[in-house]
Amino acid sequence: GEDVEQSLFLSVREGDSSVINCTYTDSSSTYLYWYKQEPGAGLQLLTYIFSNMDMKQDQRLTVLLNKKDKHLSLRIADTQTGDSAIYFCAETSNTGTASKLTFGTGTRLQVTL
Amino acid sequence: DGGITQSPKYLFRKEGQNVTLSCEQNLNHDAMYWYRQDPGQGLRLIYYSQIVNDFQKGDIAEGYSVSREKKESFPLTVTSAQKNPTAFYLCASSRYPGQNSPLHFGNGTRLTVT
Repeated sequence: GEDVEQSLFLSVREGDSSVINCTYTDSSSTYLYWYKQEPGAGLQLLTYIFSNMDMKQDQRLTVLLNKKDKHLSLRIADTQTGDSAIYFCAETSNTGTASKLTFGTGTRLQVTL
Repeated sequence: DGGITQSPKYLFRKEGQNVTLSCEQNLNHDAMYWYRQDPGQGLRLIYYSQIVNDFQKGDIAEGYSVSREKKESFPLTVTSAQKNPTAFYLCASSRYPGQNSPLHFGNGTRLTVT
């Protein structure tokens, strides 16, 4: 079955880079997503990567995908206090004609001054 | 502005009562989803609907029911059969039910059952 793992907590200083890691198990996943959740709110789509890519950059965000090791990472450059949130990675799997997202447990990013 | 609206934000119920959570979207999305979030856990899929008048069970459907009579609405009923209903419930939609169609989430409803 599908399983997505993330470390639970990461603390970084403001201005440093943050790297949030994720491992997944479904080798058939074609899209992998990163979502951000602020306290008491829903999930906000940050970025996603197609499985035939190994890197995607979007402003301060860089996603790296190692398909052989089923490892996904999200790098946030110049981390700001507003980046403090929970970050979820998610893999997709097909269930017939529908897609289903399997989420990791989330990594809580704390940004200190 | 297009988006997904969940109401209410906080809901309190007594044990043994059914309760319905509202989810409305004006994004013209075909697919809608309900997830449950518990502290320290990822999101778990309760039900999903690919199209009007159709829905499928997710991983934890027991004790829940849904309907999809209109494209823009996908209400979730938490029944008294749900053993542990206190949680944060998130509704989502996607343009179409495919892997390359990202999910967009509402702001959630926090349900407390005592």
